[in-house]
Amino acid sequence: ETGVTQSPTHLIKTRGQQVTLRCSSQSGHNTVSWYQQALGQGPQFIFQYYREEENGRGNFPPRFSGLQFPNYSSELNVNALELDDSALYLCASSFVRQGAGETQYFGPGTRLLVL
Amino acid sequence: KQEVTQIPAALSVPEGENLVLNCSFTDSAIYNLQWFRQDPGKGLTSLLLIQSSQREQTSGRLNASLDKSSGRSTLYIAASQPGDSATYLCAVRSRRDDKIIFGKGTRLHILP
Repeated sequence: ETGVTQSPTHLIKTRGQQVTLRCSSQSGHNTVSWYQQALGQGPQFIFQYYREEENGRGNFPPRFSGLQFPNYSSELNVNALELDDSALYLCASSFVRQGAGETQYFGPGTRLLVL
Repeated sequence: KQEVTQIPAALSVPEGENLVLNCSFTDSAIYNLQWFRQDPGKGLTSLLLIQSSQREQTSGRLNASLDKSSGRSTLYIAASQPGDSATYLCAVRSRRDDKIIFGKGTRLHILP
């Protein structure tokens, strides 16, 4: 067990709705990353937050947004849901030191189904 | 643009055999390469992380190697067990844009 938790575990929404997914980082970690994993695919990087600031973004539209809080918990918000947003959403936390490659610790994921 | 490829996509082997999973990447400008295990419907468990300056890492029955110049990594699993059945993913962290790129994974099934 990594110490990274996500809520909810499963979620069903309809097209056009908005959703908020939550992640609680491992204690002492200062960085959180979010990934989208479609069925049968590897995780795709959405964005990363470091000390409450967005610190890198993948090829996802602006309707995917996020927040990181002072206690290093995080949210992923998706507006105007589309059918293709159905996926497993993973968050990963790590402790980043300048110039060092860190190990990411993943949560169990939230499975989102858009109908 | 960094691309990560894993071969084979799926593999079934009898229990007790040693096996090798392959990962290749197109851009050698990486900070590190990481191997993960994913059970069905679950999150990812980190198995081994190899920094770009390292050649291999070992943990128990697992050994991962990295040849950065050729863009290849292998994950060696010794004396496979049914509990090793899972999807194995490799991921590289790019020096160019600091993003982590995953392969699609290898689905491993160990036959009892």
